[in-house]
Amino acid sequence: KAGVTQTPRYLIKTRGQQVTLSCSPISGHRSVSWYQQTPGQGLQFLFEYFSETQRNKGNFPGRFSGRQFSNSRSEMNVSTLELGDSALYLCASSQSTDTQYFGPGTRLTVL
Amino acid sequence: GENVEQHPSTLSVQEGDSAVIKCTYSDSASNYFPWYKQELGKRPQLIIDIRSNVGEKKDQRIAVTLNKTAKHFSLHITETQPEDSAVYFCAASLATGRRALTFGSGTRLQVQP
Repeated sequence: KAGVTQTPRYLIKTRGQQVTLSCSPISGHRSVSWYQQTPGQGLQFLFEYFSETQRNKGNFPGRFSGRQFSNSRSEMNVSTLELGDSALYLCASSQSTDTQYFGPGTRLTVL
Repeated sequence: GENVEQHPSTLSVQEGDSAVIKCTYSDSASNYFPWYKQELGKRPQLIIDIRSNVGEKKDQRIAVTLNKTAKHFSLHITETQPEDSAVYFCAASLATGRRALTFGSGTRLQVQP
């Protein structure tokens, strides 16, 4: 099976703009989780979607949002970008177990 | 919420030696503990995981132990090789089916040839 894919791989935005990142899970996986990775804060959980419903949410401001489509593909959106939003955004998919498989990530740089 | 502490932050060993990385968690309800390896510029890769109904799990040179009473778990790598060099992350999940992983801060392992 193909692994988790994320697009785009790299993105440069300026403060105040918004951005949408996409994640395609492994075929058959219905759960998609999103994480932010920064050198200072490490890996932090953003949210999880299962069957088009947000099931868990981490401690991030409302500028971070997401959604999941009927084919399990997921998008996350960050509005009003801040310099501190520069990070590697990782998504992970899982099936019926807890095991999560990560995608390659989207590297977002906010200038 | 859950908090996971990981030690050491850096670890240097000679090829062939063993490496041990330790993590503690705060929430006794956590019951799933994966370990990920992340090489530079690559995605985190699951190397082993353990659930709270098991005390130890092995996969070739890698083993994980869990002490629920003390709320800590450890990764053991034996016969280390240069390709084991990477950053290792432990994580904990609060409840089965809720895939919100809380990660430790990572351990940079360097295996010297």
